[in-house]
Amino acid sequence: DGGITQSPKYLFRKEGQNVTLSCEQNLNHDAMYWYRQDPGQGLRLIYYSQIVNDFQKGDIAEGYSVSREKKESFPLTVTSAQKNPTAFYLCASSSPPGQETEAFFGQGTRLTVV
Amino acid sequence: GENVEQHPSTLSVQEGDSAVIKCTYSDSASNYFPWYKQELGKRPQLIIDIRSNVGEKKDQRIAVTLNKTAKHFSLHITETQPEDSAVYFCAASNPSQELSFGAGTTVTVRA
Repeated sequence: DGGITQSPKYLFRKEGQNVTLSCEQNLNHDAMYWYRQDPGQGLRLIYYSQIVNDFQKGDIAEGYSVSREKKESFPLTVTSAQKNPTAFYLCASSSPPGQETEAFFGQGTRLTVV
Repeated sequence: GENVEQHPSTLSVQEGDSAVIKCTYSDSASNYFPWYKQELGKRPQLIIDIRSNVGEKKDQRIAVTLNKTAKHFSLHITETQPEDSAVYFCAASNPSQELSFGAGTTVTVRA
């Protein structure tokens, strides 16, 4: 079954701790994205990656880090430097331009800082 | 980077009426404009998209228009039904595949 999978669905973190959100896709997509969704603010781009071993900052990258060591995986680390990390995080992937460019989303991870 | 603005933030329509959502973008290099629908508790899903070489695209009750000169694009839903109630997001993608979204429009269809 092809798709994009995020885990875990719910995550609790203590203040001052780093936490890593997983995103895996088996769609053979080159591009992957991380978004943060807060009520009334839509989907804000954190990081994106066009190809393996390369990624770019989005609009709200501060306090986050990513890696793209494999085409299938694009984990997001929420560091202790992120001032307000409680949010819903969505991962997405898409094909390169010139092909079907539809972005598919994972089911999301809801992160709560306690 | 790209900046996408979306209006209105909320929209309430009577069942059977039309709904229109408008977006603007800032990067003239953007060439792909998808629209996503997100139902409560679910992931966003693509409902229609348009590329910069096309001015209008229609799929049953949904249509999208694009004005490249003005950097505007719009979503039109005709004959709205209760199941159209959701949050709708516009987005713009540039050749570097930076995919940026608007803030969303919460559409409520009144029976």
